[in-house]
Amino acid sequence: AQSVAQPEDQVNVAEGNPLTVKCTYSVSGNPYLFWYVQYPNRGLQFLLKYITGDNLVKGSYGFEAEFNKSQTSFHLKKPSALVSDSALYFCAVRDIPASSNTGKLIFGQGTTLQVKP
Amino acid sequence: NAGVTQTPKFQVLKTGQSMTLQCAQDMNHEYMSWYRQDPGMGLRLIHYSVGAGITDQGEVPNGYNVSRSTTEDFPLRLLSAAPSQTSVYFCASSYEGRGSASGNTIYFGEGSWLTVV
Repeated sequence: AQSVAQPEDQVNVAEGNPLTVKCTYSVSGNPYLFWYVQYPNRGLQFLLKYITGDNLVKGSYGFEAEFNKSQTSFHLKKPSALVSDSALYFCAVRDIPASSNTGKLIFGQGTTLQVKP
Repeated sequence: NAGVTQTPKFQVLKTGQSMTLQCAQDMNHEYMSWYRQDPGMGLRLIHYSVGAGITDQGEVPNGYNVSRSTTEDFPLRLLSAAPSQTSVYFCASSYEGRGSASGNTIYFGEGSWLTVV
């Protein structure tokens, strides 16, 4: 069965320090991987995705993520955190790129990122 | 181009009442879906549609109905509301778009906060 795990409920970092939000996945085929961010009382905003190609994916707001097939991980990173990055982050996966699966994402439980000044 | 629009944003229902959450997208996406978000559980798929006239169940379909009479609209109906349906509901849309930078990205609405008392 497909699954996504975000092992940390909360990550705390100081402003200006690098940040990492962890994500591991389990799928039966080749994964499509996504990161979304949610600010309080708002919808989910797309950050970045891995479909194929370069394992290092760059996205919005200076975020990037590295696809590691051997470790089945897709950790979200940013070299220098901002207070405004504080939000809830979701990792999601779509299994096997079949048309019937389009629009069907499996989400992790979310990680709250707290960046302190 | 408004993206994905959900109404209402907030709603309080009494147990046993019925209601419809509206969702519309103006991006001509063939794929639309409904998710619910509950604390510590991420987002879970309720129902989805791969095109007008075609719908299917997701992970947590019980108590909800959907229909897709047009490409643009995908309403979610609660037939007889229960306190367990207190949640935040998100509508989303996407398209396959092979080779397109925006293909396979799922776009979310701003959410509908539903409380059943």
